[in-house]
Formats: sequence, C-alpha cells, structure tokens
Amino acid sequence: AQKITQTQPGMFVQEKEAVTLDCTYDTSDPSYGLFWYKQPSSGEMIFLIYQGSYDQQNATEGRYSLNFQKARKSANLVISASQLGDSAMYFCAMTENNAGNMLTFGGGTRLMVKP
Amino acid sequence: DTGVSQNPRHKITKRGQNVTFRCDPISEHNRLYWYRQTLGQGPEFLTYFQNEAQLEKSRLLSDRFSAERPKGSFSTLEIQRTEQGDSAMYLCASSLNQGGSGEAFFGQGTRLTVV
Repeated sequence: AQKITQTQPGMFVQEKEAVTLDCTYDTSDPSYGLFWYKQPSSGEMIFLIYQGSYDQQNATEGRYSLNFQKARKSANLVISASQLGDSAMYFCAMTENNAGNMLTFGGGTRLMVKP
Repeated sequence: DTGVSQNPRHKITKRGQNVTFRCDPISEHNRLYWYRQTLGQGPEFLTYFQNEAQLEKSRLLSDRFSAERPKGSFSTLEIQRTEQGDSAMYLCASSLNQGGSGEAFFGQGTRLTVV
C-alpha cells in the first residue's frame, strides 16, 4: 500500500485565489511527521511546512497552512493568495519515528497559477 | 553559501562507465540522506548516514551502488557499471538528529543521463 497518496496530478488556480492540495497517508506508527516540499523547475526541493502527529494545532507558515485531520489521515496543503511564482511541483512526505527519519514522498501535484 | 551543495549538477555517461557524485551537507548537520528521483515521480530514499555511520540502505540500492561519508562531513555516491535505468536526479539532503521536525534541507541535485 502507498504510504503517501496525492490524488491530483495537476491543478490550476487563478492568481490571488486560494488552492488546496490533497494528501493522505498511511502509517501504524503513532509518532510521525508530515511535510510539504515545493520543487520548481530548477529541481531543488524547498521545505514549506511541517506537522507533527502530536501537534494539536494546524501548522501555518505565511501563506501556507496544513489542514491536518488525523482521524482521516489527511494532511492537505492550503496556499492562500496564489502567486505566479507558486507554479511548481508540490510533494507531500512523511517521516516515521521507527524508520530513521527518512522521508517517504507522494507522487506530487503540479500546480499552475494562471495570471 | 551555507546550503547543501551537490556536484556535479549534470553528468552524461556511457552505459557501463562508473560515476561518482559528491554532496556537502550543511556543516552542523549530522544526518545525510541520498534520494533518487525519476521523471514525474517523487524522490525515493536510497540511504542515510548519521555522522560517518551508514545506518540504513534501501533495497533500491543494488550492489552497483556504494555510498560513503568518511569523516562525517561530505558524502560520495558511486554507481558502477551504469545502466540506462540509472538515469535520474540524485538528491542529497541533510538534517539535525533531533526531535520535532528534523527538517531536511535538500541540494539542487545531480542529474545523471546514461546513454
């Protein structure tokens, strides 16, 4: 079974609007971390936001927020006020406490922001 | 520049040749990871080091692949007898071994093309 599932291969959003990128995960480890990374065409993976499994509140970092629904095992990324520079691949990833903190990535979502 | 540095950025090699990539992590980070990313996919874990010790290897890492981190600083990834299926982006990341996010910072990757 896939540990990280991103069901949206591609998404369009109008500049200045908000967009939600979906991510569901699968783990039996009670201690885990969820991450979102952005990968522009240059190839570098840029860390956006982190949510720990024991965190009570949803993480926020500037225009990024993580909608963490633990019972549903989902960790959706919300980008508010989209900008043209947000066009990129977005990857959801997970670390598990019993797995050495290596990241397991989903297949990614390509976000395209329209002017 | 105090980020993760990878060299070379691009490598084209003939099938059957050996190649070696280098990664210089963020200086105070004791964990170093190698990932492989093929076109249109998320990165896949290959191996990681804590200081100079190689603690985990994926089954993706065949016996043609070897990684070292001799002094707990920079790391090298060597692929012997390259095959066309080895063509991919090879990403290096580093992190601090600590609780919480243990956020991994990525380099810009080495793109390998085997012809």
